[in-house]
Amino acid sequence: GAVVSQHPSWVICKSGTSVKIECRSLDFQATTMFWYRQFPKQSLMLMATSNEGSKATYEQGVEKDKFLINHASLTLSTLTVTSAHPEDSSFYICSARDIRASGGARSYEQYFGPGTRLTVT
Amino acid sequence: DAKTTQPPSMDCAEGRAANLPCNHSTISGNEYVYWYRQIHSQGPQYIIHGLKNNETNEMASLIITEDRKSSTLILPHATLRDTAVYYCIVPVGNEKLTFGTGTRLTIIP
Repeated sequence: GAVVSQHPSWVICKSGTSVKIECRSLDFQATTMFWYRQFPKQSLMLMATSNEGSKATYEQGVEKDKFLINHASLTLSTLTVTSAHPEDSSFYICSARDIRASGGARSYEQYFGPGTRLTVT
Repeated sequence: DAKTTQPPSMDCAEGRAANLPCNHSTISGNEYVYWYRQIHSQGPQYIIHGLKNNETNEMASLIITEDRKSSTLILPHATLRDTAVYYCIVPVGNEKLTFGTGTRLTIIP
């Protein structure tokens, strides 16, 4: 159980175009999903928290107009990188928290997707 | 998140127990210790969490000292597939995880 998928697993796009990445919880419902970015040889950095039915909360320094997040259902969140540039090339990872784990000891038990490797040329 | 300190790297022989330490001396009474790992080019994987009692699941054991200022993750019989970066995290408040640099564990055949 607790499987999270991401699509696509890798994508190459031209500078100036937009790319959408999907994150799905396959066997559980998630009111909260998280989007991370990881550059080579670095740790994961949280970009934003995605809440079902409401606006995402972005971390300091992350441009909300560039990284559009939509969490329209309890099993799907999308991240759109708009007007991508080479510096946006990175490994993008989503995670989801089971709706039944909200509050209490399991609040930080997140299930991660396999990641999406974005290369902007 | 409360600050955690982990060694940057460790080696362990295949089949032996891997013991990964973590210091979290500023942890407060109601904060949990979580462990995740990330195998190369994959998303992180939840391993285990605990508050003050030792915990065990199918993946690992977590030993937390009585003063809760440090903990040890134990992989009882390490295999080559356990080679990964292991993150010890003490999340605070707003339900977000902050990943530090972790410990790069290499299992030696």
